Amino acid sequence: EAGVVQSPRYKIIEKKQPVAFWCNPISGHNTLYWYRQNLGQGPELLIRYENEEAVDDSQLPKDRFSAERLKGVDSTLKIQPAELGDSAVYLCASSFRQGGSETQYFGPGTRLLVL
Amino acid sequence: AQSVTQPDIHITVSEGASLELRCNYSYGATPYLFWYVQSPGQGLQLLLKYFSGDTLVQGIKGFEAEFKRSQSSFNLRKPSVHWSDAAEYFCAVGAAASGTYKYIFGTGTRLKVLA
Repeated sequence: EAGVVQSPRYKIIEKKQPVAFWCNPISGHNTLYWYRQNLGQGPELLIRYENEEAVDDSQLPKDRFSAERLKGVDSTLKIQPAELGDSAVYLCASSFRQGGSETQYFGPGTRLLVL
Repeated sequence: AQSVTQPDIHITVSEGASLELRCNYSYGATPYLFWYVQSPGQGLQLLLKYFSGDTLVQGIKGFEAEFKRSQSSFNLRKPSVHWSDAAEYFCAVGAAASGTYKYIFGTGTRLKVLA
């Protein structure tokens, strides 16, 4: 079974430029997450989807970040315009909730460097 | 508020020695608990998880963890460390919050293994 797929793996851009990340979750997983991981830190949730619906985007900086999950499968996360402080690893995870529990499976991440 | 504390930022052990990584959490109910490992440039790989039942759980790569409710802890152990275990380890709590379900990660413990 294929895991969570993310692309690109690495991205270098200049500040004020736009950037987009793509995620393909594990087949059948209806919940999808985007996290940001700063150097030396644990992942921090940006947004969580249940199928097509964003059910928790309270930590998403909505002035510059946007996300979508069309058809409840693939998702894209966009930053426009990027700032120096956005340099981080952006992780996508997916899960399937069974009863009251779930396990998240992570992709390899996209490492973003903003110059 | 829910939180996860990994008190050791760095740990160094010799190959073949035993290992214990500490994790303490703050949560009002019984949480779902996870340990993930992250190798350089990679995403997070699930090592093991605790939802309920036996408080000593076995995971992949010879790791185990014990849930101690009285101490709010979920420490990760391995009896004999291999050089390939060098990585960063994250403890996470899965908790219901404001009608949603989210993971809260610790800041990680970086493990170095001496030959």
